[in-house]
Amino acid sequence: ETAVFQTPNYHVTQVGNEVSFNCKQTLGHDTMYWYKQDSKKLLKIMFSYNNKQLIVNETVPRRFSPQSSDKAHLNLRIKSVEPEDSAVYLCASSTPEGANTEVFFGKGTRLTVV
Amino acid sequence: AQKVTQTQTSISVVEKTTVTMDCVYETRDSSYFLFWYKQTASGEIVFLIRQDSYKKENATVGHYSLNFQKPKSSIGLIITATQIEDSAVYFCAMRERSNNRIFFGDGTQLVVKP
Repeated sequence: ETAVFQTPNYHVTQVGNEVSFNCKQTLGHDTMYWYKQDSKKLLKIMFSYNNKQLIVNETVPRRFSPQSSDKAHLNLRIKSVEPEDSAVYLCASSTPEGANTEVFFGKGTRLTVV
Repeated sequence: AQKVTQTQTSISVVEKTTVTMDCVYETRDSSYFLFWYKQTASGEIVFLIRQDSYKKENATVGHYSLNFQKPKSSIGLIITATQIEDSAVYFCAMRERSNNRIFFGDGTQLVVKP
């Protein structure tokens, strides 16, 4: 049963456009994440965020930014997309640090930049 | 530096046999948690099984079990009586108790043939 909801499922856009992906979790978790999965299926963490702290993977380009209105939502904005941004973006959530619980993933948003 | 390493890119087995997928990890934390996930053809990533570092007994869930060798920083996934529907990409992951970050391996593609 899905508890991390992502929209849209797919998005096609042109180079230079701005896009925004939504993510909502209904698990009551405190921490949310964005991962990028490339065509080789490699999972790379982009951001982790809770109400205390945003941790940014230093390799993430500045055109990417997370946006949160409350602990159940963490959106991803890409200011000016590049061709290499084509990938599947996965949102996830978990309980706070120190907990042994697993991460729950959404079904992903596939971005194609043309 | 890669914190979680899966050396097997792809494995092919005949159904009803047993398969082992390797995973080694790197951490300085004395307490950590290890996970295996499965990504199906639809792209959905689901949690399979967990091992807490302080537990000596290997975890078992259904036809999944773990081979936890702490001195070797190794957490292998064993699937017994494989089925066609076990065909997927399997990810090993580690969560350190001291922070929110969850590190994933590069994944192992499992193909189960009739």
